[in-house]
Amino acid sequence: QQQVKQSPQSLIVQKGGIPIINCAYENTAFDYFPWYQQFPGKGPALLIAIRPDVSEKKEGRFTISFNKSAKQFSLHIMDSQPGDSATYFCAAGRDSGGYQKVTFGTGTKLQVIP
Amino acid sequence: NAGVTQTPKFRVLKTGQSMTLLCAQDMNHEYMYWYRQDPGMGLRLIHYSVGEGTTAKGEVPDGYNVSRLKKQNFLLGLESAAPSQTSVYFCASSYVEGVAKNIQYFGAGTRLSVL
Repeated sequence: QQQVKQSPQSLIVQKGGIPIINCAYENTAFDYFPWYQQFPGKGPALLIAIRPDVSEKKEGRFTISFNKSAKQFSLHIMDSQPGDSATYFCAAGRDSGGYQKVTFGTGTKLQVIP
Repeated sequence: NAGVTQTPKFRVLKTGQSMTLLCAQDMNHEYMYWYRQDPGMGLRLIHYSVGEGTTAKGEVPDGYNVSRLKKQNFLLGLESAAPSQTSVYFCASSYVEGVAKNIQYFGAGTRLSVL
């Protein structure tokens, strides 16, 4: 059972474009929504995260938009650069018996063409 | 400034062989995790630990065992490797702090092939 659905699976954009990656969840108990970035041959690293009490969060060129009623959230990358080429994972977290359980999406491989 | 270190980086096993993957973190984190990453399936949690001496099953625990004898180390064992366990394995550690919730720090991964 995939609790966090992520799309698209892959994405190719031109330099300067704005790739958008979408995620959806079912469990309303989720209260923490991080995004992780993974470069080839490396482990994932936290990029940006949002709580459900805000609708948008920006950090540099990266923006998370959150729609609580639709149970959807998305990552936008402004002015994308070839160095942004990586795999991006959305995730959702919830408290579970004193432990913060995090469920990951299936990942989006982004390629930014110069 | 090591963070999370995984050994080995690569390994090839024959079906039925056993091995142990080692994860070490130097950030004094309470929580540690083992994931496997397969194409199109994202990161799936195998086992996790919320503290020294404790372990718990994740989403795909079958065929794996773990131990957390020391706070800084988390070991993943394969008793009898199967081709279905060919994957990239990631270890992670985290702390839970206020609004930041569960920020996980990942190692560089271990690529395992089972022939």
